Amino acid sequence: EVQLLESGGGLVQPGGSLRLSCAASGFSFRNFAMGWVRQAPGRGLEWVSSLHDDGVATFYADSVKGRFTISRDNSKNTLHLQMSSLRAEDTAMYYCAKMAGHPTRNYYFDTWGQGILVSVSS
Amino acid sequence: QSVLTQPPSVSGAPGQRVTVSCTGSRSNIGADSDVHWYQHLPGTAPKLLIYGNNIRPSGVPDRFSASKSGTSASLAITGLQTEDEADYYCQSFDTSLSAFVFGTGTTVIVL
Repeated sequence: EVQLLESGGGLVQPGGSLRLSCAASGFSFRNFAMGWVRQAPGRGLEWVSSLHDDGVATFYADSVKGRFTISRDNSKNTLHLQMSSLRAEDTAMYYCAKMAGHPTRNYYFDTWGQGILVSVSS
Repeated sequence: QSVLTQPPSVSGAPGQRVTVSCTGSRSNIGADSDVHWYQHLPGTAPKLLIYGNNIRPSGVPDRFSASKSGTSASLAITGLQTEDEADYYCQSFDTSLSAFVFGTGTTVIVL
């Protein structure tokens, strides 16, 4: 069974940093693209970032570009999201998701974690 | 601000058919990017409902179907059931933004 478990969320002050992790199991992690999607309170789903299986090709939403960095450790089946210069508007539930499809423009999120809450407030 | 527009809500009685529209543009749905659909109940993980425009993953009831035409797509739920009450999102890829995009989301209400 495919499982994704997020960790690392919490309360952080504006301008601070936080590192989210996503432990994956039940599939060949190194062979799949992975991504992060968030949902702010009262808002819809918003794609944040994605990383190809090669660990090189990365994509970021304009709202986080230059502040967030996605990475993966295939030896530990773990996806990370390093978040810096955090703002109040980054407050959201963050979901880790396994991606599938081909080519890139047809990628979709086929399995999701339960989510981890990030709150940015002073 | 999403580039894929959905109606805020649709409603129907049990057993009825409802549709959820997803309107995009020539840089996403109209650029031959596939459309995918997700079901999301508050407090739970979103669930993939349809991928590749009209393909149901294993385990998704055949009451759910979807289609795509031009710069729009739609999700249909037939034989509406109370457990279908949830938020539904379309998703595609925008070639101009080089970004994955979600629709604004639609709440399906079972009367």
